[in-house]
Amino acid sequence: DAGITQSPRHKVTETGTPVTLRCHQTENHRYMYWYRQDPGHGLRLIHYSYGVKDTDKGEVSDGYSVSRSKTEDFLLTLESATSSQTSVYFCAISDNSGGPQETQYFGPGTRLLVL
Amino acid sequence: GQQLNQSPQSMFIQEGEDVSMNCTSSSIFNTWLWYKQEPGEGPVLLIALYKAGELTSNGRLTAQFGITRKDSFLNISASIPSDVGIYFCAGHRNAGNMLTFGGGTRLMVKP
Repeated sequence: DAGITQSPRHKVTETGTPVTLRCHQTENHRYMYWYRQDPGHGLRLIHYSYGVKDTDKGEVSDGYSVSRSKTEDFLLTLESATSSQTSVYFCAISDNSGGPQETQYFGPGTRLLVL
Repeated sequence: GQQLNQSPQSMFIQEGEDVSMNCTSSSIFNTWLWYKQEPGEGPVLLIALYKAGELTSNGRLTAQFGITRKDSFLNISASIPSDVGIYFCAGHRNAGNMLTFGGGTRLMVKP
């Protein structure tokens, strides 16, 4: 298994509170991604990073921010959580440049409930 | 949103039967990936395909990259109860770093 951990694994929070999810990798991969998974929508990309301090938006980035100060850590922040952000969040990593052999490996997920 | 059509959405089969599922798209992809996800876990990569026409096996699993580059299929032979899970296809176009995912096929195996 790829060395990816996510913390916390489960979180319950209230609407309007800030939440930060952490993804940590031990593979020294350049690319890191945050997805959310919801019934009927599958996996959707929130943000991704292509290096330290280099990030870009994905398909569903509104209401989320990210930071990457070290190669091994990629943080996802919900500045003011809303009930629509209740979801399962997955981190993924990739070691190539997004070229012909793009392969992503996923972490175990964080289940977030916003009340 | 999702641009990959994955079918069937679910399958309930008897142990020992073979399984076939596929993904189709209106767009060309240069990489096809197949993942399996079990309850409470993240998707685990099963097979990666990088060339049109490529046929790759991983144990009882076989996947093919369609010649048109717009489809891929996954076969599981002689299914066993631990094959239960949701199988996802994902495609990559080389334009940026985004994968596009199918909606998943939920596989249930009756012992």
